[in-house]
Amino acid sequence: KNQVEQSPQSLIILEGKNCTLQCNYTVSPFSNLRWYKQDTGRGPVSLTIMTFSENTKSNGRYTATLDADTKQSSLHITASQLSDSASYICVVSLNTGGFKTIFGAGTRLFVKA
Amino acid sequence: GAVVSQHPSWVICKSGTSVKIECRSLDFQATTMFWYRQFPKQSLMLMATSNEGSKATYEQGVEKDKFLINHASLTLSTLTVTSAHPEDSSFYICSVGDGYSYEQYFGPGTRLTVT
Repeated sequence: KNQVEQSPQSLIILEGKNCTLQCNYTVSPFSNLRWYKQDTGRGPVSLTIMTFSENTKSNGRYTATLDADTKQSSLHITASQLSDSASYICVVSLNTGGFKTIFGAGTRLFVKA
Repeated sequence: GAVVSQHPSWVICKSGTSVKIECRSLDFQATTMFWYRQFPKQSLMLMATSNEGSKATYEQGVEKDKFLINHASLTLSTLTVTSAHPEDSSFYICSVGDGYSYEQYFGPGTRLTVT
């Protein structure tokens, strides 16, 4: 069964600290993996996208990694800011020639001052 | 990426009435759009795939007669919630699909509250 599991479900960190969010998937055939940031009451915004051959991708203070062998991805946030408080959603697309995607449940991050 | 807007951003309606939500692709001709529903503290759930000029494809368990989708142009798709009930209260998000990269660009969402 195609699934995307994220952990932790929620996380509280202090401003300025780093954190890492996890995403494990059992999706086949794999096309790509995306991390989205969703602010409360807003639509998701893409942070990174990685294909099978990419191990890491950065977008400012966000760095995503992908291990296609173990089917794991992580999103590392450096020097967190209050504005990083949001839900982070891992989305895996299937290589079936269309838009078939599997959404993770998301990790809710709270950054405290 | 594509810029996607939704209107209204929030709406309150009475039980039994219908409400229409618009999704516009402002700078991209979208043959494919998607409608999602999101309940509090949950991830997005795909409701239907909207194809320009043809009937929408609904996910299992989604009532097509209740959630009417019209994709009459390459820049506009509408979702009409008919005979709304309080359990239809949710956050509705649309996205535009890029047929080359298969990337999806999401709108800002519409908060529907049915009283």
